[in-house]
Amino acid sequence: QQQVKQSPQSLIVQKGGISIINCAYENTAFDYFPWYQQFPGKGPALLIAIRPDVSEKKEGRFTISFNKSAKQFSLHIMDSQPGDSATYFCAASRLGYGGSQGNLIFGKGTKLSVKP
Amino acid sequence: NAGVTQTPKFQVLKTGQSMTLQCAQDMNHNSMYWYRQDPGMGLRLIYYSASEGTTDKGEVPNGYNVSRLNKREFSLRLESAAPSQTSVYFCASSTYNYQPQHFGDGTRLSIL
Repeated sequence: QQQVKQSPQSLIVQKGGISIINCAYENTAFDYFPWYQQFPGKGPALLIAIRPDVSEKKEGRFTISFNKSAKQFSLHIMDSQPGDSATYFCAASRLGYGGSQGNLIFGKGTKLSVKP
Repeated sequence: NAGVTQTPKFQVLKTGQSMTLQCAQDMNHNSMYWYRQDPGMGLRLIYYSASEGTTDKGEVPNGYNVSRLNKREFSLRLESAAPSQTSVYFCASSTYNYQPQHFGDGTRLSIL
């Protein structure tokens, strides 16, 4: 199966709080797990990505945690700010493969609202 | 440095009309993609072009055709638009299947 399941659909967090978005995948051949951030009226933009050889990757306030055995990965946004309010998409693919194997499979998205 | 440029940004069509959505990238990327985004459905791949001269179907290709005009340009055509094709369409590009994909800002298409 090629699905990537993302939860929650929407999330409201107070300024300064931690935002957590979860994704689960089925295809054990996936080896590239990016997160995209999308602001209203704009296209998605790569935020952070992880390969399965590490369990965590941090870039500033954004951290991906990866659990290979559970086939799950999550995005943590520390010290959430109103400017983080956007829709976040997780995705998965087989990095470096041509054809359909290399295409990104996206989750359905999480709309994050950070209240001041 | 424009990245991925999509035209038009907005369009309203009547059922049965035809329309071509244009996409151009200036990053010398080999691969290009067309997605549609519907509320609660995420991004679904319509067609992709792994390299100049090749095109392949994605998850939801029915009702669409594509043309990889050259390395820079990848167009999406609706031959006979249907209300079910009302959506936001995104074009993206990448270096072969090596991520990340860079997205344009979308074309918002309404079909009445």
